[in-house]
Amino acid sequence: AAGVIQSPRHLIKEKRETATLKCYPIPRHDTVYWYQQGPGQDPQFLISFYEKMQSDKGSIPDRFSAQQFSDYHSELNMSSLELGDSALYFCASSLGVRNQPQHFGDGTRLSIL
Amino acid sequence: GENVEQHPSTLSVQEGDSAVIKCTYSDSASNYFPWYKQELGKRPQLIIDIRSNVGEKKDQRIAVTLNKTAKHFSLHITETQPEDSAVYFCAASRVTGRRALTFGSGTRLQVQP
Repeated sequence: AAGVIQSPRHLIKEKRETATLKCYPIPRHDTVYWYQQGPGQDPQFLISFYEKMQSDKGSIPDRFSAQQFSDYHSELNMSSLELGDSALYFCASSLGVRNQPQHFGDGTRLSIL
Repeated sequence: GENVEQHPSTLSVQEGDSAVIKCTYSDSASNYFPWYKQELGKRPQLIIDIRSNVGEKKDQRIAVTLNKTAKHFSLHITETQPEDSAVYFCAASRVTGRRALTFGSGTRLQVQP
């Protein structure tokens, strides 16, 4: 079965640079969630989209923005990167009806030098 | 907002023994409770979930129980195997409104052969 696709898998950036992470949800899934996971920590919710509209906002810094496109893929844009942004970034998708399960992609490992 | 507490943080069992992980939540509006298994550097994988209209759910060696009155839920793994070794996260969310997952801090399960 098709899963959530994230790209790139690994990304190395320097401080103050920008980065764009992409997420392609499971076919027919209309809801996308972004989570950030630091080493040894649990995933922290950043932001979500349902039918191309922002549906919820978590602990996403003002330096980050995201959107969902007409084909339901989503992009997380990160600017003025800081050392503390180094983490695993996961995208999850679901059918936005009555809390259908969220399925996670393999993540993007972002390293800030 | 929601707060999910998870215990224990580490758990070591002998192969064939049972393992129990417990979580409590704070938001009485939460009504969806999934459990994820995460191996090092990999994506969280949904292993079982339960909704608030059900008190118990079982899938082969894995079972989850929910006590809405006490606001706690537990994961039970029977006949543990070395491949069950991983970090397990409980989570909570709502059916309506904020559907993003709030995770517990995780339990590192080690199954000794």
